[in-house]
Amino acid sequence: AQKITQTQPGMFVQEKEAVTLDCTYDTSDPSYGLFWYKQPSSGEMIFLIYQGSYDQQNATEGRYSLNFQKARKSANLVISASQLGDSAMYFCAMRGAGAGSYQLTFGKGTKLSVIP
Amino acid sequence: NAGVTQTPKFQVLKTGQSMTLQCAQDMNHNSMYWYRQDPGMGLRLIYYSASEGTTDKGEVPNGYNVSRLNKREFSLRLESAAPSQTSVYFCASSEGLAGAGDTQYFGPGTRLTVL
Repeated sequence: AQKITQTQPGMFVQEKEAVTLDCTYDTSDPSYGLFWYKQPSSGEMIFLIYQGSYDQQNATEGRYSLNFQKARKSANLVISASQLGDSAMYFCAMRGAGAGSYQLTFGKGTKLSVIP
Repeated sequence: NAGVTQTPKFQVLKTGQSMTLQCAQDMNHNSMYWYRQDPGMGLRLIYYSASEGTTDKGEVPNGYNVSRLNKREFSLRLESAAPSQTSVYFCASSEGLAGAGDTQYFGPGTRLTVL
């Protein structure tokens, strides 16, 4: 079974500052993928970034980077230079790589509020 | 490209009524999914279709049925709605690649209330 834990129900960050959203995971799969999604107040789920368990480097996508620490089973999302439009719910998710591993397992999310 | 589209956006049902949620994708993806999102929780998988012509149960399939109509369309049916099915429903699609890096892209969601 896979499990995602997001321990920060809510976070505040000043505009233009960087913020780290925590995510820890548990799985017995030797190969897996970690994802972050953004859900603004409008409700849609927007894919942000992906990290494979065997990737040697941390993933980056524009202002988003994933701080992947495999030994600690953590996959924290770092948002640099926060903008007001970054205010949203953020979900960490994972899936295995085995046959039939189609399900994304989600955490409960972190609500980020960017303060002007 | 519209990506993943869902209809309707909002729906109110009475207990016992039936309805079908529609989903379509224009990304030529092989795999499609239905999730539900309840307050304070992440998404949970209801059903998925790994490829055209196949469907399988996810984590919370009870009370639902699905149809993969063709490669583009994947519908979710509630035969006899119950208040416990009040939720936001998301459809998603992915290329269907082997391995863990098969990214799922989501539609805008359907907000369903069962009275």
